[in-house]
Amino acid sequence: KAGVTQTPRYLIKTRGQQVTLSCSPISGHRSVSWYQQTPGQGLQFLFEYFSETQRNKGNFPGRFSGRQFSNSRSEMNVSTLELGDSALYLCASEQGGDNEQFFGPGTRLTVL
Amino acid sequence: SQQGEEDPQALSIQEGENATMNCSYKTSINNLQWYRQNSGRGLVHLILIRSNEREKHSGRLRVTLDTSKKSSSLLITASRAADTASYFCATDSRTGGFKTIFGAGTRLFVKA
Repeated sequence: KAGVTQTPRYLIKTRGQQVTLSCSPISGHRSVSWYQQTPGQGLQFLFEYFSETQRNKGNFPGRFSGRQFSNSRSEMNVSTLELGDSALYLCASEQGGDNEQFFGPGTRLTVL
Repeated sequence: SQQGEEDPQALSIQEGENATMNCSYKTSINNLQWYRQNSGRGLVHLILIRSNEREKHSGRLRVTLDTSKKSSSLLITASRAADTASYFCATDSRTGGFKTIFGAGTRLFVKA
């Protein structure tokens, strides 16, 4: 069974631009969660989608948004990028129930 | 703020020794999980322990959970150089609409 995939793996943007990251969960998994990882703040929960609906949300500004498609693939969008948005963005998929999450390799975003 | 806090922040041991990492959390939980992350890559799920369990084993891993003290420990026995990684505890917190909350992690370095 293929694991969680994320594209692109690396991305360089400039301040003010917007970016879209993609995550394909493990086949059959309906929940996708997104996390931001930075050296200073550690791993922080962004949001979770389940069956195309946002089920949980972390404490991030409205510039961070996401969506999930009917095939469970998810995208995350960050508008008006700031230098502090430079981070490793991880997505994780979960079949449901016991919260065992399977992580993708991440997208490393650098904002210049 | 982080739900889980790992201790120590960093640990350096010789191959063959045991490594113990601790995690404390703040609110009631349904379960607690430990993950490993190698050098800025995605996280790998190690073990999940439910709130009604006190101890769990998986290979060289032993996890304990003390819900009265809101703490957990991860023991890696007979460590290997390949165990060098960051280790995170994560709790399933249902308060505030959040999902899985990660601690800051313990960086383990196993010297060959």
